[in-house]
Amino acid sequence: EAQVTQNPRYLITVTGKKLTVTCSQNMNHEYMSWYRQDPGLGLRQIYYSMNVEVTDKGDVPEGYKVSRKEKRNFPLILESPSPNQTSLYFCASSLDQRAYNEQFFGPGTRLTVL
Amino acid sequence: DAKTTQPTSMDCAEGRAANLPCNHSTISGNEYVYWYRQIHSQGPQYIIHGLKNNETNEMASLIITEDRKSSTLILPHATLRDTAVYYCIVRADTGANSKLTFGKGITLSVRP
Repeated sequence: EAQVTQNPRYLITVTGKKLTVTCSQNMNHEYMSWYRQDPGLGLRQIYYSMNVEVTDKGDVPEGYKVSRKEKRNFPLILESPSPNQTSLYFCASSLDQRAYNEQFFGPGTRLTVL
Repeated sequence: DAKTTQPTSMDCAEGRAANLPCNHSTISGNEYVYWYRQIHSQGPQYIIHGLKNNETNEMASLIITEDRKSSTLILPHATLRDTAVYYCIVRADTGANSKLTFGKGITLSVRP
């Protein structure tokens, strides 16, 4: 089944403890992206990647890192999480970055930083 | 990307067609109209998209006016499982990072 998977689905952590949220897709998609969703602010893009080893900042990249060493994986790294990064995170992928290719979203990771 | 305007909420009866409107009066020629929905806090689910022509798939139909300033998403036979927030998004084909910009969406409630 074609899908985007994220792990973990739920995570409670403490300020400053490094964490990684994994994202994987099995559709051989070139484009992958991370979004965060907060009440009243909608979904905002954090980082995106147009292919292996090609990543760039989205609208809210501060406090986050990403890597794209393989086509299928696009992990989101929080080196020193803070409470303002408590949010619902979604990974998405599409065939490539062009607008006529729809993006498919993962199920989400709910992160709480205490 | 052009901005979209949607009503805050609407409801419809189960089994009836749900017609969700969207205004995008400043849309430009290279911008696609996309519809996604989000059920509770699940990942947004792609529904349909189009550029100029009307489109239909197994989930819905998308009707775009001739001047492209507005569109309507039609769920032909709404079920209780269609209760969700529906997002109308205009997305430019810039060749670069054509991200999705989600607004507040419209909350559709399907009643028994």
